[in-house]
Amino acid sequence: AQSVTQPDIHITVSEGASLELRCNYSYGATPYLFWYVQSPGQGLQLLLKYFSGDTLVQGIKGFEAEFKRSQSSFNLRKPSVHWSDAAEYFCAVLASKIIFGSGTRLSIRP
Amino acid sequence: DGGITQSPKYLFRKEGQNVTLSCEQNLNHDAMYWYRQDPGQGLRLIYYSQIVNDFQKGDIAEGYSVSREKKESFPLTVTSAQKNPTAFYLCASSIGVGSTEQFFGPGTRLTVL
Repeated sequence: AQSVTQPDIHITVSEGASLELRCNYSYGATPYLFWYVQSPGQGLQLLLKYFSGDTLVQGIKGFEAEFKRSQSSFNLRKPSVHWSDAAEYFCAVLASKIIFGSGTRLSIRP
Repeated sequence: DGGITQSPKYLFRKEGQNVTLSCEQNLNHDAMYWYRQDPGQGLRLIYYSQIVNDFQKGDIAEGYSVSREKKESFPLTVTSAQKNPTAFYLCASSIGVGSTEQFFGPGTRLTVL
């Protein structure tokens, strides 16, 4: 069955530090993969998506993600986080429908 | 501006009452979705609709009902049969089911007292 795992429930990083949020998926075919961000009490906003081609994809707000088929991973990265990046981040895979991971809450230490 | 609106932002109801959450989109999308979000559980699909006058159950449809009489509108009714209705509800739309991107509304937080 298709699934998405985000192993980190909550991560805290210092402002200006680098960030990597982990995402592993289970899907038989070539996946369509997404990262969404949700600010408290708000809807989800698409950060980036991967369909095919270059395995390193650039998104909005300075985020990027790398698709690694051999590891079934699609980790989200940012070289230097800002306090405004504090939010919940969801990885998702498109199968017959979109399947979301359980989310990773990011806190920023001043 | 094109987008998805959900109203109200906060909703309070007494236990045993049905309540309807509004979702409207002006993106001309065929597909619309309702998700429930609880802390630590991510998003769970309640119902989705591929086209007007058609909808399918998602993973947690029990205690909920929907209608799709207009392309722009996809209201969700939380019935008294829903055992634990207090949650954050998100509506989304896409060009079609299986489309590569869903667009989300701002959500409605329902609290049942």
